[in-house]
Amino acid sequence: DQQVKQNSPSLSVQEGRISILNCDYTNSMFDYFLWYKKYPAEGPTFLISISSIKDKNEDGRFTVFLNKSAKHLSLHIVPSQPGDSAVYFCAASPFYGGATNKLIFGTGTLLAVQP
Amino acid sequence: DTGVSQNPRHKITKRGQNVTFRCDPISEHNRLYWYRQTLGQGPEFLTYFQNEAQLEKSRLLSDRFSAERPKGSFSTLEIQRTEQGDSAMYLCASKGRELFFGEGSRLTVL
Repeated sequence: DQQVKQNSPSLSVQEGRISILNCDYTNSMFDYFLWYKKYPAEGPTFLISISSIKDKNEDGRFTVFLNKSAKHLSLHIVPSQPGDSAVYFCAASPFYGGATNKLIFGTGTLLAVQP
Repeated sequence: DTGVSQNPRHKITKRGQNVTFRCDPISEHNRLYWYRQTLGQGPEFLTYFQNEAQLEKSRLLSDRFSAERPKGSFSTLEIQRTEQGDSAMYLCASKGRELFFGEGSRLTVL
């Protein structure tokens, strides 16, 4: 049972345009959400997070939006740059600050930013 | 380099052999995690340590897998009698405010 779903395996955008990556989750106990970025042959790198008490969090070119009623979050990258080309993983955790903080990851979306 | 360090980066072994991976977390982090990532999937949780105590294990961690963190610093993940299905990237992470991952140890079982 895939609790965190990224239904688009890949996305291609032009440099300078907006990239929108989507993620859906099924477990209503999740209250903390993160995006990780992964280059080939490297481990995932933390990008941005949002807790369920917010509906938007922004960090530079990266903005995460959370729609709790729809159990949906999205990552917006604007403007997109070729260096943003990577696999992006959505992750979720129940009980932020709780004992385990184990993350449940989606299957990833491969973003290709074309120069 | 003060990040999470994993060794070896790549291990090729024959089915039935034992392998061990080592993880050195960020020094001030007392929480350490092991994840496994297979092709086309996201990382999957395997186990979690708080200091030297192993507090949670996934059902993915069969009896052939054992993880230790004897002094609450580095951790090892041993896989006994490897099978081809064990081929994956094994990721270690330590937790400050967020999870910081190492570069992973890729296991190929022939």
